[in-house]
Amino acid sequence: EIVLTQSPGTLSLSPGERATLSCRASQSVSSSYLAWYQQKPGQALRLLIYGASSRATGIPDRFSGSGSGTDFTLTISRLEPEDFAVYYCQQYGNSPLFTFGPGTKVDIK
Amino acid sequence: QVQLVQSGAEVKKPGASVKVSCKTSGYTFTGYYIHWVRQAPGQGLEWMGWINPHSGDTNYPQKFQGRVTMTRDTSISTVYMELSRLISDDTAVYYCARLGASRHFDFWGQGTLVTVSS
Repeated sequence: EIVLTQSPGTLSLSPGERATLSCRASQSVSSSYLAWYQQKPGQALRLLIYGASSRATGIPDRFSGSGSGTDFTLTISRLEPEDFAVYYCQQYGNSPLFTFGPGTKVDIK
Repeated sequence: QVQLVQSGAEVKKPGASVKVSCKTSGYTFTGYYIHWVRQAPGQGLEWMGWINPHSGDTNYPQKFQGRVTMTRDTSISTVYMELSRLISDDTAVYYCARLGASRHFDFWGQGTLVTVSS
């Protein structure tokens, strides 16, 4: 089973600052199958990035993804008030087919 | 626009079963697999399996085999997830999600809270 670890657990930043979120896999993950999601209280999850670096439809370009192998990064270049949320990475691979990281909460400093 | 709309919250007793629905619209129902993911209170996301709406084929991870059943009704573009022999640890928000081409989930339902309590 591929285990995803996200760091930090919580990131306290101010609007306008840059956020760098890490997702590390216990085994190599195909870049084609690494995605990032945003979750806000009471709302459906929202796909941000797929294929490690491709932005989903309608996602602002302040969100970017990078990485390969076992280390992946989600970067928010300048935090907007609506970006304070929890972010999850997800991979597709071996059994179980789909696993998620534990999440990084980005909150207002 | 693509929408996945789930049924409302449920309260069940231990040992009972729950069936959650996910009504889809805005795309060809049989063209995309639907997956189920759950999130226990304060916890992360856990994948529960998928259904192919075209064929009805399903795939469940070992943890849920024998306890989860996913079905579909093509006439109303709806998929169902039934979980049996409920225990308190099954208390969670259950989400349906559509699978995109790169094995990511491109659209999600709003979630259904299932509470298991005696």
